[in-house]
Amino acid sequence: ETGVTQSPTHLIKTRGQQVTLRCSSQSGHNTVSWYQQALGQGPQFIFQYYREEENGRGNFPPRFSGLQFPNYSSELNVNALELDDSALYLCASSLWKGIGSGANVLTFGAGSRLTVL
Amino acid sequence: RKEVEQDPGPFNVPEGATVAFNCTYSNSASQSFFWYRQDCRKEPKLLMSVYSSGNEDGRFTAQLNRASQYISLLIRDSKLSDSATYLCVVNLFSGGYNKLIFGAGTRLAVHP
Repeated sequence: ETGVTQSPTHLIKTRGQQVTLRCSSQSGHNTVSWYQQALGQGPQFIFQYYREEENGRGNFPPRFSGLQFPNYSSELNVNALELDDSALYLCASSLWKGIGSGANVLTFGAGSRLTVL
Repeated sequence: RKEVEQDPGPFNVPEGATVAFNCTYSNSASQSFFWYRQDCRKEPKLLMSVYSSGNEDGRFTAQLNRASQYISLLIRDSKLSDSATYLCVVNLFSGGYNKLIFGAGTRLAVHP
């Protein structure tokens, strides 16, 4: 059983640029969530994808967007980067069994550390 | 007010000590509760779920008080390997999906 893998592990961008982060879900999982973790803070929910559609979103502006592919892998895109976007971006996959099945148990990837200069 | 609040610490304790972490949450509709552990520069990993009846996993005991919207984690006989950040997490089902809300974490440093 493979875990969640993310790429790249580290990257540096400048303000105004765009970035794409990638995530491969754990085998058998159908849902992908993305989190932003700033230094000294807990992970903050960005959005979640299920069956290739965004079905939940946190308090992040539209310049944060994503995709989920038929193989359940996912991308996070951030446009017009700002200094405050510097953070660890975590992808988590889970198996959603339907309403009433309780909370998803998340398996996190090791994250992509983004620095915006 | 933050949705999930924790004492940031750090808690500096000697090996063998007992340490307790507390957490409060603001949304009474929260349905399930967890503690995650995060090592330095690593991803969070599920430590244990938290139930109203209280639950124990070896040296770790978690408690939930829904009336007070309060969650706790007790670590007995601390080991050096327990040094990490402990994240209090609540799950809220809203808008047709589950959303995990993380606290900022409590840092634990166990020293010899």
